[in-house]
Amino acid sequence: AQSVTQPDIHITVSEGASLELRCNYSYGATPYLFWYVQSPGQGLQLLLKYFSGDTLVQGIKGFEAEFKRSQSSFNLRKPSVHWSDAAEYFCAVVFGGYQKVTFGTGTKLQVIP
Amino acid sequence: GAGVSQTPSNKVTEKGKYVELRCDPISGHTALYWYRQSLGQGPEFLIYFQGTGAADDSGLPNDRFFAVRPEGSVSTLKIQRTERGDSAVYLCASSLANSYEQYFGPGTRLTVT
Repeated sequence: AQSVTQPDIHITVSEGASLELRCNYSYGATPYLFWYVQSPGQGLQLLLKYFSGDTLVQGIKGFEAEFKRSQSSFNLRKPSVHWSDAAEYFCAVVFGGYQKVTFGTGTKLQVIP
Repeated sequence: GAGVSQTPSNKVTEKGKYVELRCDPISGHTALYWYRQSLGQGPEFLIYFQGTGAADDSGLPNDRFFAVRPEGSVSTLKIQRTERGDSAVYLCASSLANSYEQYFGPGTRLTVT
């Protein structure tokens, strides 16, 4: 079955520390991969996307993500977290032949001083 | 330019009532999507329009839910005989034709009492 999993429901990091949010998918081929961020009262904002090519993709707000085919993963990283990064992060996938986006359950990021 | 807008931002209704939720996509975006986000979950796909027609309505939970896009721009999601389980944030997104990059509105929070 096609699915996307975010194993961490909640993560807390100190401001200035590095961050990695995990995302795994289940699919027989390479889907299109996305990371979105949702701040309280805000709509979903696209951080970055991967369709093909270079497996390390850069996004907005200093985020990057790496696609690893062997692990069916698309983890989001940031070298130094700012307090304003506190939000909920969603990994999302488009499986081949469909236009709809399938979202993971989200990871809530808390940033402490 | 203007992003995706949704009205109302909040809607409280009594069980059994009929509600309409409106979405105004980004100008020029021919594709429009509706998602539902329950508390603590990622958005779940409901329906996708390409122009005026529903290209994929596989996510509509039952026949109480219906959506229209008569002129290929504004869309209305209609829910009949609302139930308490329909309480959620309803998100609308739009994109250019055949683009997988979707732009989300701020959502309508529906509460059924």
